[in-house]
Amino acid sequence: DAKTTQPNSMESNEEEPVHLPCNHSTISGTDYIHWYRQLPSQGPEYVIHGLTSNVNNRMASLAIAEDRKSSTLILHRATLRDAAVYYCILRDLIQGAQKLVFGQGTRLTINP
Amino acid sequence: NAGVTQTPKFQVLKTGQSMTLQCAQDMNHNSMYWYRQDPGMGLRLIYYSASEGTTDKGEVPNGYNVSRLNKREFSLRLESAAPSQTSVYFCASSVARGYNSPLHFGNGTRLTVT
Repeated sequence: DAKTTQPNSMESNEEEPVHLPCNHSTISGTDYIHWYRQLPSQGPEYVIHGLTSNVNNRMASLAIAEDRKSSTLILHRATLRDAAVYYCILRDLIQGAQKLVFGQGTRLTINP
Repeated sequence: NAGVTQTPKFQVLKTGQSMTLQCAQDMNHNSMYWYRQDPGMGLRLIYYSASEGTTDKGEVPNGYNVSRLNKREFSLRLESAAPSQTSVYFCASSVARGYNSPLHFGNGTRLTVT
């Protein structure tokens, strides 16, 4: 399985942009890059995903490097509610199902 | 729309006891998953079910069994609980067709084995 590497923790200030990096140097050509986040005492929540092009949705933007060996999740204007653990995951398709392997993630702290 | 519902929310077992964790989804998803989460370990896949009638082992299946009862329900059974199975258990579901459908998670079952 292709693996991802993320910083253990990051800190930012409220109302400022946040850039969360992820390295995935062994990504295969058909792997999608997914991001999830987990708020305290809750299950993980889907944030965004992409293959090659940059992606935007109401929660965040995903910037994917041209060689696809890294990506960055961008929160444009962080709020206190964005404090969570963020997971960068590569989709591994086996037998028609998605088997997503979650690593340690990045714990994001937002300062008021 | 409830999404993914897990029961119970909390459970305390003694070593050797058995129990079944229940999971149901109302999104007509084909695939369902069981994860466990331990401090500092991220989420680890226990079992998954690509579609009704099929189940497969994940990363940490030992000590667990699963049943895909129907399209909606996917249960996880601990036959003889051990303290090492103290964890938070998450059930998830996704649409199987297509490589990029997101997982939807329940809010977890917090299990303590003494």
